[in-house]
Amino acid sequence: KAGVTQTPRYLIKTRGQQVTLSCSPISGHRSVSWYQQTPGQGLQFLFEYFSETQRNKGNFPGRFSGRQFSNSRSEMNVSTLELGDSALYLCASSLGTSGGSNTGELFFGEGSRLTVL
Amino acid sequence: GQQVMQIPQYQHVQEGEDFTTYCNSSTTLSNIQWYKQRPGGHPVFLIQLVKSGEVKKQKRLTFQFGEAKKNSSLHITATQTTDVGTYFCAGRSMDSNYQLIWGAGTKLIIKP
Repeated sequence: KAGVTQTPRYLIKTRGQQVTLSCSPISGHRSVSWYQQTPGQGLQFLFEYFSETQRNKGNFPGRFSGRQFSNSRSEMNVSTLELGDSALYLCASSLGTSGGSNTGELFFGEGSRLTVL
Repeated sequence: GQQVMQIPQYQHVQEGEDFTTYCNSSTTLSNIQWYKQRPGGHPVFLIQLVKSGEVKKQKRLTFQFGEAKKNSSLHITATQTTDVGTYFCAGRSMDSNYQLIWGAGTKLIIKP
């Protein structure tokens, strides 16, 4: 079955602009998480969605937002871009559970590489 | 907040030598997962440990979960060039609403 699909794969923006990234999870997966990864850095958690509800949120400013649709596809938006927002943005999907105790493995997409000039 | 400390940050080994990375959580975990990210790639799930004291093996890789479910390790025997990459641990606990808390990763570098 198809893996996690992220679009666009690469994009270049200028400071002050805004960007929307898209993630289509594996069919049947209801949980989607977003991460930011900068060169040589680990994975910084942005947020997690399950059944259209934000279940967890990382320590990022309000310029970073996300949502999940009824078909489990997710988008994240970054407004008023700054140079420091240049990074690889990774989306990961998992089965998730309705009880909230998500213990499943994550399947990552290839990422969207954002460059802010 | 809950943290997962992972050491070392880097490990340089000669091909054929062993490699170990360690993770330590500030709180008790429900489970811990391990991922590998090849250079230029995305993280790929390796394994999940759930039980106290659990040990699992995948060929040359051995994963351990501590008795107190607060620490874990990944050991690779006789490293090969295909093992190059960054290894991450990620733990879940009730304290974090089951959010995955990631270690900073250990980068395995094979000396030429």
